[in-house]
Order: sequence, then C-alpha cells, then structure tokens
Amino acid sequence: QVTLRESGPALVKPTQTLTVTCTFSGFALSTTGMCVSWIRQTPGMALEWLGVITWDGDTYYNASLKTRLTISKASSKDQVVLTMTNVGPGDTGTYYCTRSELLTYHYALDVWGQGTTVTVSS
Amino acid sequence: DIQMTQSPSTLSASVGDRVTITCRANQTIANYLHWYQQKPGKAPNLLIYTASSLQTGVAPRFSGSGSASGTDFTLTISNLQPEDFATYFCHQSYTTPNTFGQGTKLDIK
Repeated sequence: QVTLRESGPALVKPTQTLTVTCTFSGFALSTTGMCVSWIRQTPGMALEWLGVITWDGDTYYNASLKTRLTISKASSKDQVVLTMTNVGPGDTGTYYCTRSELLTYHYALDVWGQGTTVTVSS
Repeated sequence: DIQMTQSPSTLSASVGDRVTITCRANQTIANYLHWYQQKPGKAPNLLIYTASSLQTGVAPRFSGSGSASGTDFTLTISNLQPEDFATYFCHQSYTTPNTFGQGTKLDIK
C-alpha cells in the first residue's frame, strides 16, 4: 500500500523558513518514472503546483516560487523535504505531497498525503 | 503557464442525475489531463487519468473524454450517488508548472 504523510509546523512567522517533510512508503522513488510532487491548496481552495523531484534526482519548480523553494531527498531514502524561504501571508495553506508516475499515469497525482496546514502569521 | 478553465464553478443536481464538467486548456495538452474529487477536510482523490482512464477502485459511473485537439475535456458522472457531492478539479501535467482548474462544486439540488 502506497502512503505519504506530511509533517511540519502549523504556524510560521513572516520572513521565516518553512520546512515540510514528506515520509512515504510502498514505492521506491528511485524507480524509473517515479516522482514526488508538492501541491498547495489556498484557503480559497485553489490548487497550486509547487514543484517535483524525479526518480533521477531532477527538480522542477513553479517559476513564481523558484527563488524561494527547494525540494530535496532527505538522508532517509523514503523522505522528501520541501523548504520555502522568506514566507509571507500568501503562503498560508495546506501543503500536500503526492506521488506521480510518468509511464502509466503521465504524471497524474495518484496518491496524496493527508496534507499539513500551515499558517503564516506574526 | 497553461491556463485551465473549468466550468461550471458550481453545479446543482439530484441523486440519479447525469452531470458533465468541462475543462479547457489554452493550448494543447494532448491527453495529460486528470480529474480529482475532493471532499471537505480531505485530500483530492484521483478519479480519471490521461483524460479517459478510470483509476483503480473508482466507480464506473465516472468517465472522462477529450477532444482530438487536446484542449477540451469533460468529466461525466452518471446516476449521481449521495457520495458524489463534492468538489472536482482538473489538472494538466503536460508541462511545468502543472496547473489546475479552479474547481467545480457539485451540490444537491
């Protein structure tokens, strides 16, 4: 069974750095075609794609956030970390990590974590 | 960025009805179009991938289609059941950044 789970702070102050960890099981990110993507849902319910890390370690980011965003593999092979610097109120939302796969799913997000809600406020 | 225009934004229907939600891309996305259902307080759940493939475990009353131009897509729900009243999103993964439709809230008439 494939599962993903996000963990991170519920409250972050403006200008601080947000770090959210995705711990997954049931698949290997090293498998060709496999990816972990990050999606954010605003309080108004809009979904925003933040970025992705691929099976071979490549990363792609939403250009609107690129200078502030880093997605990386943790030392544990079953974790991916999202780091966002200099957060502001517009970064408030629910952060999801998701699995996506190229060969069958053409990068559809087939499994989602439960999400972690982050509020940016002083 | 590819813009996804989803309509309608809200839809009222009754149990047993057949409803259609559409999503239009402002450029071709081939069949890199996927549909999700989201219920309050839950993460989105994949229903249809690559425009018309039914995700494992999803009821066959859900179906999807796409145009030959690769810009127009529909999600159809036949014989609406009480558990289908939720919000639906389309998603294109043809290019980065991936983008989503703004969502369609399906509620009970």
